[in-house]
Amino acid sequence: SYVLTQPPSVSVAPGETARITCGGDNIGSKSVHWYQQKAGQAPVVVIYYDDGRPSGIPERFSGSKSGNTATLTISRVEAGDEADYYCQVWNSPDHLGVFGTGTTVTVL
Amino acid sequence: VLLVDSGGDLVQPGGSLRLSCAASGFIFSNYWMSWVRQAPGKGLEWVANINQDGTEKYFADSVKGRFTISRDNARDSMYLQLNNLRAEDTAMYYCAKDTSGRPVRPDPLDDWGQGTLVIVSS
Repeated sequence: SYVLTQPPSVSVAPGETARITCGGDNIGSKSVHWYQQKAGQAPVVVIYYDDGRPSGIPERFSGSKSGNTATLTISRVEAGDEADYYCQVWNSPDHLGVFGTGTTVTVL
Repeated sequence: VLLVDSGGDLVQPGGSLRLSCAASGFIFSNYWMSWVRQAPGKGLEWVANINQDGTEKYFADSVKGRFTISRDNARDSMYLQLNNLRAEDTAMYYCAKDTSGRPVRPDPLDDWGQGTLVIVSS
């Protein structure tokens, strides 16, 4: 089965930049979505289709993809960005979902 | 958009449970719908989904043959039947709004329910 690998944790000081990677075979051919999940809450989309940003998501959140790795970048990190972050793709041609292993972002 | 998950409970290993997802605020029959679960302290796991008219269904390998998915567009509701439950099925189960694409598109899950907790234990 298809696997998406993320680092378990990323720690960053307020005002700095956090980068979360998501690696998977041939991920370049897939559309990658990123979700933020705060404690006790349902996930929320923060980046869709690799680099799109939903309305209401700060411009500090951006997405990119290169080779076999997608990256979520959070610029000028704030305390409120502390959460778990997951990448996600769909395995075609069947509409099978796959989530990454998840990354906990800690703001120091 | 509002998705309300219900039906979670404490159940013994080998038992069964039926989860429900009641939808409102969008044209339910236009959308694929998914179930996603999260074991305590663990990551998200996609479980299953169903297309707009219920003719296409997909399952994660971990639940294939034990779980079934269905929907009732007249009631704007989706269901997940959990059979032969195991301890490792213990999780918060979320329903989520999937794509409206025909044919299917790899859209994000952009709306989620609040989750319903399933505990499998003797």
